[in-house]
Amino acid sequence: SQKIEQNSEALNIQEGKTATLTCNYTNYSPAYLQWYRQDPGRGPVFLLLIRENEKEKRKERLKVTFDTTLKQSLFHITASQPADSATYLCALNNAGNMLTFGGGTRLMVKP
Amino acid sequence: NAGVTQTPKFQVLKTGQSMTLQCAQDMNHNSMYWYRQDPGMGLRLIYYSASEGTTDKGEVPNGYNVSRLNKREFSLRLESAAPSQTSVYFCASSVNRGRADTQYFGPGTRLTVL
Repeated sequence: SQKIEQNSEALNIQEGKTATLTCNYTNYSPAYLQWYRQDPGRGPVFLLLIRENEKEKRKERLKVTFDTTLKQSLFHITASQPADSATYLCALNNAGNMLTFGGGTRLMVKP
Repeated sequence: NAGVTQTPKFQVLKTGQSMTLQCAQDMNHNSMYWYRQDPGMGLRLIYYSASEGTTDKGEVPNGYNVSRLNKREFSLRLESAAPSQTSVYFCASSVNRGRADTQYFGPGTRLTVL
């Protein structure tokens, strides 16, 4: 069966460190993978999209990698700040070109 | 631009009652979506509308109906609410349904069915 797995346990890190979140998938062949941020009581907000032929994508302090052999994407936040505390969702397109979301990982950045 | 708006923000229903969740977008997007989000389950697609005049089932359509009223508005109806429909409901829109569609989400409706 198709699965998108993100660590359901919260990730706690110290301010200034790099946060790394993982998204693993099985039985998908996505052409694109996206990352969203969701704050409590709010809807998800798009952050980054990476294509299957791109190994890495950057936007300010954010970096995403996409390894189609390992079937994994890593999401990095460098120089993390308490304001980065949120739940981060990965999403990819399934065979029907519908976006399917992982369960998300909660990130807590402590001052 | 307001983006994607949803009403109501909160709703409590009794089992068997009906209600309609409203969604509107002002970004001139063609595609619109309804999701539900439950703890540990992530976002699951209920219905979507790839373009005005079309609607299709998603992963969990049972117990729901939708109407794409015009390009801006997409409503979700619960005909006979059940406790299993207690959830947070999100509406989203995108330029076009496709592999690279980036979705814009509304603030959500928290629904409790007693």
